[in-house]
Amino acid sequence: KAGVTQTPRYLIKTRGQQVTLSCSPISGHRSVSWYQQTPGQGLQFLFEYFSETQRNKGNFPGRFSGRQFSNSRSEMNVSTLELGDSALYLCASSLEGGGIDTQYFGPGTRLTVL
Amino acid sequence: AQTVTQSQPEMSVQEAETVTLSCTYDTSESDYYLFWYKQPPSRQMILVIRQEAYKQQNATENRFSVNFQKAAKSFSLKISDSQLGDAAMYFCAYRSAEEPSGSARQLTFGSGTQLTVLP
Repeated sequence: KAGVTQTPRYLIKTRGQQVTLSCSPISGHRSVSWYQQTPGQGLQFLFEYFSETQRNKGNFPGRFSGRQFSNSRSEMNVSTLELGDSALYLCASSLEGGGIDTQYFGPGTRLTVL
Repeated sequence: AQTVTQSQPEMSVQEAETVTLSCTYDTSESDYYLFWYKQPPSRQMILVIRQEAYKQQNATENRFSVNFQKAAKSFSLKISDSQLGDAAMYFCAYRSAEEPSGSARQLTFGSGTQLTVLP
């Protein structure tokens, strides 16, 4: 089975712009989670989607949003980019999203905001 | 809210030796799951081992094993016969098992331990 894929792998944007990141989960996985990783804050949970519904959201401003499509692929969007949004954004997929389910991570998208 | 603490920002070990990485967590829940992930320089997070809190037996995966002390809220990772490929950042993570708790759907990570393996 192919692993979790994320596109693009690298992005450079300027302040005020918006960006969309994409995540394709492992085939058969219905849950997709997003995490932000920065040197200062570490790994922080953004949100989780299951069957096109957001089930849980982390403590991030409304500029961060996401969605999931019927084929379980997910996108996250960041509007009005700030310098502090520079981070590695990781997507993870799992079968159901809870319990002992293993979350399989993608390689990440490195976002740099100038 | 749950918190996960990794008090060792950096550790080093000689090749073929054994190293133990520490992790403590704080929770009021009785049922939960604990994980160790490694993140090599490629940045791809890889599951190393997982433990269900209601299981008293410590999980083992080849050279990797855990020492799970529920009362002490401690979950350390032991790597035996360390190999150069074990060099990575290691993260301890917690997930609630109590539905429909929102935290049952997310991993709470520690700050990580950077492991260096010396040849």
